[in-house]
Amino acid sequence: KNQVEQSPQSLIILEGKNCTLQCNYTVSPFSNLRWYKQDTGRGPVSLTIMTFSENTKSNGRYTATLDADTKQSSLHITASQLSDSASYICVVIRAGGFKTIFGAGTRLFVKA
Amino acid sequence: KAGVTQTPRYLIKTRGQQVTLSCSPISGHRSVSWYQQTPGQGLQFLFEYFSETQRNKGNFPGRFSGRQFSNSRSEMNVSTLELGDSALYLCASQDQGAGANVLTFGAGSRLTVL
Repeated sequence: KNQVEQSPQSLIILEGKNCTLQCNYTVSPFSNLRWYKQDTGRGPVSLTIMTFSENTKSNGRYTATLDADTKQSSLHITASQLSDSASYICVVIRAGGFKTIFGAGTRLFVKA
Repeated sequence: KAGVTQTPRYLIKTRGQQVTLSCSPISGHRSVSWYQQTPGQGLQFLFEYFSETQRNKGNFPGRFSGRQFSNSRSEMNVSTLELGDSALYLCASQDQGAGANVLTFGAGSRLTVL
């Protein structure tokens, strides 16, 4: 069954600290994996897209990793800011029909 | 370049009514997909339209329908509303087939069913 599981479900960290969000998937065949950030009351915004051959991709303080062998991805946030408080959604695209499978998201709270 | 525009942003309906939501994609994008987002379920795929044809469909009842016009604008309709239909409805556009490019989401339409 094609599934995307994210952990933790929610996370509270202090401003300035780093954190890592996890995404495990069972989607096959794999096309690409994306991380989105969704602020409360707004639509998700793309952070990174990773294909099968990419291991690491950065976007400012956000760094995504992908291990296609173990079907795991992580999103690392460095030096967190209050504005990082949001839901982070892992999305995996299945090849052949490009079916989109969403994770349930990780809710991140950054406190001053 | 204008983003994805969804209207209305908020609406309240009662059970049994029907609702139509509108989505204007980014200029030049021919693919529009719709999603339902609830706190307990996350983002659930409803359907995707490409060049006025429904190309993919999620696991939602027939009360949920959609269409796409020649200018790529899309509408979704929910008939005989139920309390469980209360959710944020998001649409996203991309300029090629599903999966090929980044999905750009609108701000969503928040539907409350009383």
